[in-house]
Amino acid sequence: KQEVTQIPAALSVPEGENLVLNCSFTDSAIYNLQWFRQDPGKGLTSLLLIQSSQREQTSGRLNASLDKSSGRSTLYIAASQPGDSATYLCAVIGTAGNKLTFGGGTRVLVKP
Amino acid sequence: KAGVTQTPRYLIKTRGQQVTLSCSPISGHRSVSWYQQTPGQGLQFLFEYFSETQRNKGNFPGRFSGRQFSNSRSEMNVSTLELGDSALYLCASRLEGPGELFFGEGSRLTVL
Repeated sequence: KQEVTQIPAALSVPEGENLVLNCSFTDSAIYNLQWFRQDPGKGLTSLLLIQSSQREQTSGRLNASLDKSSGRSTLYIAASQPGDSATYLCAVIGTAGNKLTFGGGTRVLVKP
Repeated sequence: KAGVTQTPRYLIKTRGQQVTLSCSPISGHRSVSWYQQTPGQGLQFLFEYFSETQRNKGNFPGRFSGRQFSNSRSEMNVSTLELGDSALYLCASRLEGPGELFFGEGSRLTVL
């Protein structure tokens, strides 16, 4: 059974600092991994999708890496801003039935 | 292009009642999945529908059911509501297979 873990559960950084968010998964048989952002009381916004054949994906200040063999992905957010404050979740889609498994999320606070 | 639309956004029910939530996927998306999000349990997968057929199911009691119509719109129903069913119910759609997942804003259910 796939398990996805995100550590730490919460972190606080000063504005301008780079953010590093971690995601680990136990079963490397995945199609892809997706990073989301969730603001309080809202739905999830897709940030990046990395296919299993890719090593990284970039969008603006966001960069996500994937090391399938070690079961890890990292989301980097450069030059953080207060507007980046949110909960960030990663999810993996397994090759068995395309099932999506979510991590518990990392709650980020960027202080002005 | 319109995103995933969920209705109603907020609703309050009492124990023992039933509720029906609706989800309209992004145009052209044939897969619709449902998730329950609570502070204690995080995001939990309920079920996924593709072309009117349930493709995957999570570990929820039979009180939770769903269906998908020929236009890909989906509904989920919860019967005999319990206090513990209070949650944010999220719907997501994707084209098919292990593609990128897009979420709606959710339906916030409060059971009194």
